[in-house]
Amino acid sequence: QKEVEQDPGPLSVPEGAIVSLNCTYSNSAFQYFMWYRQYSRKGPELLMYTYSSGNKEDGRFTAQVDKSSKYISLFIRDSQPSDSATYLCAMRGGTSYGKLTFGQGTILTVHP
Amino acid sequence: NAGVTQTPKFQVLKTGQSMTLQCAQDMNHEYMSWYRQDPGMGLRLIHYSVGAGITDQGEVPNGYNVSRSTTEDFPLRLLSAAPSQTSVYFCASSYSTAGYTFGSGTRLTVV
Repeated sequence: QKEVEQDPGPLSVPEGAIVSLNCTYSNSAFQYFMWYRQYSRKGPELLMYTYSSGNKEDGRFTAQVDKSSKYISLFIRDSQPSDSATYLCAMRGGTSYGKLTFGQGTILTVHP
Repeated sequence: NAGVTQTPKFQVLKTGQSMTLQCAQDMNHEYMSWYRQDPGMGLRLIHYSVGAGITDQGEVPNGYNVSRSTTEDFPLRLLSAAPSQTSVYFCASSYSTAGYTFGSGTRLTVV
């Protein structure tokens, strides 16, 4: 079993929809949770960063962490075609903070 | 700041050849990592470093060597290239608990 599980999709939604992306994890030592966005043929770009449990909002993006359930989510409101990308969850903590463990990534397409 | 700079951007190698992928960052980050990304496999950690002179293995270290003689540079060496090493390679750096900043990647093909 992988430490971080993420449904690869693909996910296709109409413009303006609310998008929900999720990851589950098994390592209870993870403390820092991130969401990256990766456009085709580009490097991953840090989108959201959260420490421990709780919510964080940045514009149209909201990240949620529930450590008791080992579950994290990213919500995108009023989705735009420019949001079409692969979204990767990532987390770190435990015995080595140097290691960032990624989910497989979810491919999202927002169509006009 | 240039951020994380990777060179080359593209490379074709023959089986058995060796080469070094270069990675440099100008943000004085203590942590640096190398990942490979393959279709359907996500990002897999090859090697990482928590500071100059300190490196450790990640999930898929076989066939790769690293060293970290300075804070800025973290080169990845392929000792004897194999077709299974055809991939996109990303270098990344960060402060201790922050998110990593990624480079733009090196697309490597081994024939």
